[in-house]
Amino acid sequence: GAGVSQTPSNKVTEKGKYVELRCDPISGHTALYWYRQSLGQGPEFLIYFQGTGAADDSGLPNDRFFAVRPEGSVSTLKIQRTERGDSAVYLCASSLKQGGTETQYFGPGTRLLVL
Amino acid sequence: DQQVKQNSPSLSVQEGRISILNCDYTNSMFDYFLWYKKYPAEGPTFLISISSIKDKNEDGRFTVFLNKSAKHLSLHIVPSQPGDSAVYFCAANRDFGSEKLTFGTGTRLTIIP
Repeated sequence: GAGVSQTPSNKVTEKGKYVELRCDPISGHTALYWYRQSLGQGPEFLIYFQGTGAADDSGLPNDRFFAVRPEGSVSTLKIQRTERGDSAVYLCASSLKQGGTETQYFGPGTRLLVL
Repeated sequence: DQQVKQNSPSLSVQEGRISILNCDYTNSMFDYFLWYKKYPAEGPTFLISISSIKDKNEDGRFTVFLNKSAKHLSLHIVPSQPGDSAVYFCAANRDFGSEKLTFGTGTRLTIIP
């Protein structure tokens, strides 16, 4: 079966530009998560969706970051006015349902480089 | 404030020997702990987990030990195999009320043939 997929795998952009990162979760998984991993660090939580709604967006660093999941499946992470500090690997994960003990399955990530 | 800490950035172990990876946490609200393994250019893969009501969980060659009083957990891999070479992340969350994982900075394990 297909795992979590993310596109693009790599994205290079210039400072100040807008980017969209896409995540396709495992079919049937209702919970979806975005994390960001900077060089030498572990993944850091950004936002969590249960169905179509953002259940917890406490990890979004500022209002330049926004994520949607309009039909409860595919999600898009949107970053406005990108800054060099946004350069990182953006990871998406999904789980069958919500719950602290539900296993989160990660995609390969999108490597974003802001020049 | 690093709530989950992995103080060893790297570890080298001879093939066939035991690998021990350590993790400390500071948030006493954490009650569920996980280990993820990550190969280059791939996402983290779930390995094993433990709830705070247990002090040990075993799955094949992998065993996780939890010492709640010390806020410390460890992952034992025995015997170590070349395919175990990867970055290992410790993660924690709360059983109820929080789905977000808090990760450590990772330990790069290299198994020497």
